Amino acid sequence: GQQLNQSPQSMFIQEGEDVSMNCTSSSIFNTWLWYKQDPGEGPVLLIALYKAGELTSNGRLTAQFGITRKDSFLNISASIPSDVGIYFCAGLYDYKLSFGAGTTVTVRA
Amino acid sequence: DVKVTQSSRYLVKRTGEKVFLECVQDMDHENMFWYRQDPGLGLRLIYFSYDVKMKEKGDIPEGYSVSREKKERFSLILESASTNQTSMYLCASDSPILGDFQPQHFGDGTRLSIL
Repeated sequence: GQQLNQSPQSMFIQEGEDVSMNCTSSSIFNTWLWYKQDPGEGPVLLIALYKAGELTSNGRLTAQFGITRKDSFLNISASIPSDVGIYFCAGLYDYKLSFGAGTTVTVRA
Repeated sequence: DVKVTQSSRYLVKRTGEKVFLECVQDMDHENMFWYRQDPGLGLRLIYFSYDVKMKEKGDIPEGYSVSREKKERFSLILESASTNQTSMYLCASDSPILGDFQPQHFGDGTRLSIL
């Protein structure tokens, strides 16, 4: 599969903060997807991006498909405790997904 | 809503055993996938299938095989389980039909421990 570099690897959030994470690749993708995984469950699709330059929102989540088709970012605004979990980016090419290693979001004590 | 169901949430097996992980989807999706998830490595594709009786190797197929006898069911087989196959296994399905692409939906995973 293609290599995706997802950063940061982990982050701590305080309720109300805005958080950002991104994915980059040396390869071009046709579609970018963002998933969230809660403990003990499978990843759930948050946002799908289908066109270069596309900016899409889903509630407090905003994601963009980079113009070069090699990157994407996800923003979470006004974070709440239930935002904790692992976020994965995924790029689709030729009907196969390649995944980033994930960003683990934890609440700051 | 798409439902992808994996038969076991937790499984403990012994080294050398033949292990079957089952996955069923109810959306008539053409494609089905098996991944393993390990900390720091994300999801890695083991095998996928784009039609009944068809299968393609993913990025890490060694030590695994698959079976797809019916469209809704995709089985992952560990021929002779080894401790390095202890992992979380995730099944997914999607539909690649042009103009009606549905992104991959995942099951809740099977956490497999090989002792």
